[in-house]
Amino acid sequence: AQSVSQHNHHVILSEAASLELGCNYSYGGTVNLFWYVQYPGQHLQLLLKYFSGDPLVKGIKGFEAEFIKSKFSFNLRKPSVQWSDTAEYFCAVTFLYGGATNKLIFGTGTLLAVQP
Amino acid sequence: DAGVIQSPRHEVTEMGQEVTLRCKPISGHNSLFWYRQTMMRGLELLIYFNNNVPIDDSGMPEDRFSAKMPNASFSTLKIQPSEPRDSAVYFCASSFSPSVSSYNEQFFGPGTRLTVL
Repeated sequence: AQSVSQHNHHVILSEAASLELGCNYSYGGTVNLFWYVQYPGQHLQLLLKYFSGDPLVKGIKGFEAEFIKSKFSFNLRKPSVQWSDTAEYFCAVTFLYGGATNKLIFGTGTLLAVQP
Repeated sequence: DAGVIQSPRHEVTEMGQEVTLRCKPISGHNSLFWYRQTMMRGLELLIYFNNNVPIDDSGMPEDRFSAKMPNASFSTLKIQPSEPRDSAVYFCASSFSPSVSSYNEQFFGPGTRLTVL
């Protein structure tokens, strides 16, 4: 079965530190890739997405992610985090394989705490 | 745009009671998704509809769970009877998808926090 793995469950950083959150998926075919963010007490919001084209994707709030097909990875990065980035981050993937592709498979999430 | 609307935002009930969660998708969206979020299992897709038709309900845990979408602007997720292990946050999301083989961004509602005592 297709799956999405996020390696870091909890990350604690100081403000201005650089961030990289790992995401790997299990399927070698065509995929659509997403990062969602959930701020405390709020619903999920889309940070960025990759469908095709340039594998380096820029999203909102200074986040970016790089799709590396050979590594089945879509890591999220931010060069300098802020306290307001404290949230839970979810990697999600749709697997396109000749049928319905609306099914979004989520990783388990990474809880990021940024200390002022 | 009001976004995806869910009600109630919080529900506390006793084991054995029926629980109904409601969702109003964004106007014009034709796909609707129900997710459950728990600490143990993360975010799980329960069921999704395209043009009011259930497309994939393989994530529905058991027969105690049922979902309906009687029209394009309303869906319900019902648990009967409820159990303590059903305690979770239930999210509804919607998107516009020209077909079941296409994909567009899903917009999430604020969720319903369910506690079953």
